[in-house]
Amino acid sequence: QVQLQESGPGLVKPSGTLSLTCAVSGVSISSSNWWSWVRQPPGRGLEWIGEVYYTGSANYNPSLKSRVTIAVDKSNNQFSLRLSSVTAADTAVYYCARLGYYYDSGTYYYSFDYWGQGTLVTVSS
Amino acid sequence: EIVLTQSPGTLSLSPGERATLSCRASQSVSSTHLAWYQQKPGQAPRFLIYGASSRATGIPDRFRGSGSGTDFTLTISRLEPEDFAVYYCQQSGSSSRTFGQGTKLEIK
Repeated sequence: QVQLQESGPGLVKPSGTLSLTCAVSGVSISSSNWWSWVRQPPGRGLEWIGEVYYTGSANYNPSLKSRVTIAVDKSNNQFSLRLSSVTAADTAVYYCARLGYYYDSGTYYYSFDYWGQGTLVTVSS
Repeated sequence: EIVLTQSPGTLSLSPGERATLSCRASQSVSSTHLAWYQQKPGQAPRFLIYGASSRATGIPDRFRGSGSGTDFTLTISRLEPEDFAVYYCQQSGSSSRTFGQGTKLEIK
């Protein structure tokens, strides 16, 4: 049973750095999946932040790229998010998720198949 | 970046009715990279459909995905009370993944 669990401070000061960790259980983080962060501001939709592969290779949302770092920690089977220079606009529920794949008849299918329960991060002084 | 536009923004229907939700992409998306999710208040999104038309494990067969290219549809054939939620489409076809803005399915 694959499980993901976010952890980190629920309150961050403006101009500070938001740091979250996602602990993965039930599967090795070194499996062939991308490990992602998705956020959701209060009352709004889902926004993909970025993802990391077990090799350390990462992709980021172009709108956040200059402020985001996602890293993998294979020894602890977890991955992390750092978002710098935060403002009130970064207040959101942050989810970690697995971009899983299915292989069928020569075709790969990709989707976010497992999610953490989410953690609310508020940016306020 | 591929932009996904969902319509309608809100859909008001009664239990037992049929719901049709649309997702339009700003450029062609491979069907293998198109998924749908359901989200209820205070919960994480729930994985429903992958490959545009294949149901995830445990998803009832009243949920059906279809479409190709730039136009995709999620159809719920006979609405159950637990189906009223927000639905998102999502694409993984480029290295910048994107979600639609969501369709809220509410009880009429």
